[in-house]
Amino acid sequence: SAVISQKPSRDICQRGTSLTIQCQVDSQVTMMFWYRQQPGQSLTLIATANQGSEATYESGFVIDKFPISRPNLTFSTLTVSNMSPEDSSIYLCSVAGKDTEAFFGQGTRLTVV
Amino acid sequence: DQQVKQNSPSLSVQEGRISILNCDYTNSMFDYFLWYKKYPAEGPTFLISISSIKDKNEDGRFTVFLNKSAKHLSLHIVPSQPGDSAVYFCAAFEYGNKLVFGAGTILRVKS
Repeated sequence: SAVISQKPSRDICQRGTSLTIQCQVDSQVTMMFWYRQQPGQSLTLIATANQGSEATYESGFVIDKFPISRPNLTFSTLTVSNMSPEDSSIYLCSVAGKDTEAFFGQGTRLTVV
Repeated sequence: DQQVKQNSPSLSVQEGRISILNCDYTNSMFDYFLWYKKYPAEGPTFLISISSIKDKNEDGRFTVFLNKSAKHLSLHIVPSQPGDSAVYFCAAFEYGNKLVFGAGTILRVKS
């Protein structure tokens, strides 16, 4: 299994500002994933981040809104840009384990006011 | 289009009894299914999985059943314990693609 450290664990931000969420893994992993869980909804994949290449975004998510960095095999950041109240969610980073299971960080609870 | 559905938003069970959490899916290309448990303020943790070539997988108190013809799977917890109270997510994986999650079911185990 992988141990994933994600921070901040929560934040309250003003609309129009940006927040960068950091994810640190205790082992080298090829692919890291960023999810969003809006209130009362399921986890939705935002993008897949590979080291050394641009992230691959899912339908409905764009790089200008959610820029991602992946500088090495143990670290990634997700930025939520120009925030609005609709961005209030839990954001989770994840890495793949064996047998396609995924390991998750503890999540970042974002509230935009 | 919700490909993975958990139609029961919540379930309440007495301690010691069986908890049954249900999940339906629509994509016949899904070939691997997983259950995750999530406590408040924590990320989801992997619980148990099942390949589409099997119809049952058991791990201690947790058993997952898969009915491919009905596109239905269920998680059985026996006996249920108060520490099992959490949100349970059903997820499906299509080879070479991404994990798709259901909306989750809140399980409350009463002592």
